[in-house]
Amino acid sequence: KAGVTQTPRYLIKTRGQQVTLSCSPISGHRSVSWYQQTPGQGLQFLFEYFSETQRNKGNFPGRFSGRQFSNSRSEMNVSTLELGDSALYLCASSLVGGWGNEQFFGPGTRLTVL
Amino acid sequence: GNSVTQMEGPVTLSEEAFLTINCTYTATGYPSLFWYVQYPGEGLQLLLKATKADDKGSNKGFEATYRKETTSFHLEKGSVQVSDSAVYFCALIGGRSNTGKLIFGQGTTLQVKP
Repeated sequence: KAGVTQTPRYLIKTRGQQVTLSCSPISGHRSVSWYQQTPGQGLQFLFEYFSETQRNKGNFPGRFSGRQFSNSRSEMNVSTLELGDSALYLCASSLVGGWGNEQFFGPGTRLTVL
Repeated sequence: GNSVTQMEGPVTLSEEAFLTINCTYTATGYPSLFWYVQYPGEGLQLLLKATKADDKGSNKGFEATYRKETTSFHLEKGSVQVSDSAVYFCALIGGRSNTGKLIFGQGTTLQVKP
């Protein structure tokens, strides 16, 4: 079974631009979560989608948004990029998410904002 | 709110030494608990999990026991190898959560020397 895939793996943008990251979950998984990883703040939850609906959202500004398609693939978008958005963005998939359910992570997208 | 605290690193050990990485948590109800490992340049891999008090998760020689009385989930391995060098994250999903919001500790870097 193929694992979680994320594209692109690396991205360089400049301040003020916007960016879209993509995540393909493990086949059959319906929950997709996104996390931001930085040296200063560690791993922080961005949002989770389940059956095309956002089920939970972390404490990030509205510049961060996402969506999920009917095939469970998910995208996240960051508008008006700031230097502080430089991070590793990780996507995780789970059968149904929630308590007790394992989440499987992709390799991440490394975003650098100049 | 829910939180996870891990021992500070880096932890440096010689090959075949015994490993303990401490993890304590704060949560209402009965959270599900996880250990993830991150190798350089990669995403997170699920190492083990436990979902109820006194459960022992184990995988690849690593073990952790869910201790409700001490709100702890310490990671142990009897004999570490150089290949175990990585960053280890303790995480939980809240006991009343039906969403995939993982809350992570700050991570502990393990260096194993030959």
